[in-house]
Amino acid sequence: QLQLQESGPGLVKPSETLSLTCSVSGDSITNSDFHWGWIRQTPGKGLEWIGSKYYSGNTYYNPSLKSRVTISLDTSKNQLSLMLTSVTAADTAVYYCARVLGPTGPNFWGQGTLVTVSS
Amino acid sequence: QAVVTQEPSLTVSPGGTVTLTCGSSIGPVTSGLYPYWFQQKPGQAPRTLISDTSNKHSWTPARFSGSLLGGKAALTLSGAQPEDEADYFCLLSYGAAGPVFGGGTKLTVL
Repeated sequence: QLQLQESGPGLVKPSETLSLTCSVSGDSITNSDFHWGWIRQTPGKGLEWIGSKYYSGNTYYNPSLKSRVTISLDTSKNQLSLMLTSVTAADTAVYYCARVLGPTGPNFWGQGTLVTVSS
Repeated sequence: QAVVTQEPSLTVSPGGTVTLTCGSSIGPVTSGLYPYWFQQKPGQAPRTLISDTSNKHSWTPARFSGSLLGGKAALTLSGAQPEDEADYFCLLSYGAAGPVFGGGTKLTVL
């Protein structure tokens, strides 16, 4: 049974780096059928695609976030990670990891984790 | 960036049929935008119902179906159940410009 579980600090200070990890069980992040990615949700802006990565290296980032985002895959731990630098209050959101069909969309979501940016 | 539009809210009677739509600000929605549909209930993560216009997942109830209708992507719910009351989001993929979510439709079953 596929499970994706996000983890990381729930509170990040402005200008610092947000770091999250997603542990995957029930599938391998080297599965050639899927990419792996991150999506966030805020009350004001709704759902926003952050980016996705394929195990062979192909990576896509939302152009509006590209300068601040890094998505990595750790095949030894079957995990994906998200780093978002220079955060502001606008980055406060629930962050979801997801299994992605190609570069087009998520077919399975994690439960999500709330990250608040505040001093 | 393209704007993806959805009805803010819709109401359907129990057992009734309702169609939610998903439009694109830059032109008609085609299969090449790989429309997705998601259901989200309060306090829960979204769940993918439909991929690539009309492909259902193993967990997608049979009463949900996806299609293209009048230049938009459409999600039709036939035989609405009380448990279908939720927010529904669509997603369109614009190639290099990336995937963009719609603002969501709040569906009430009443």
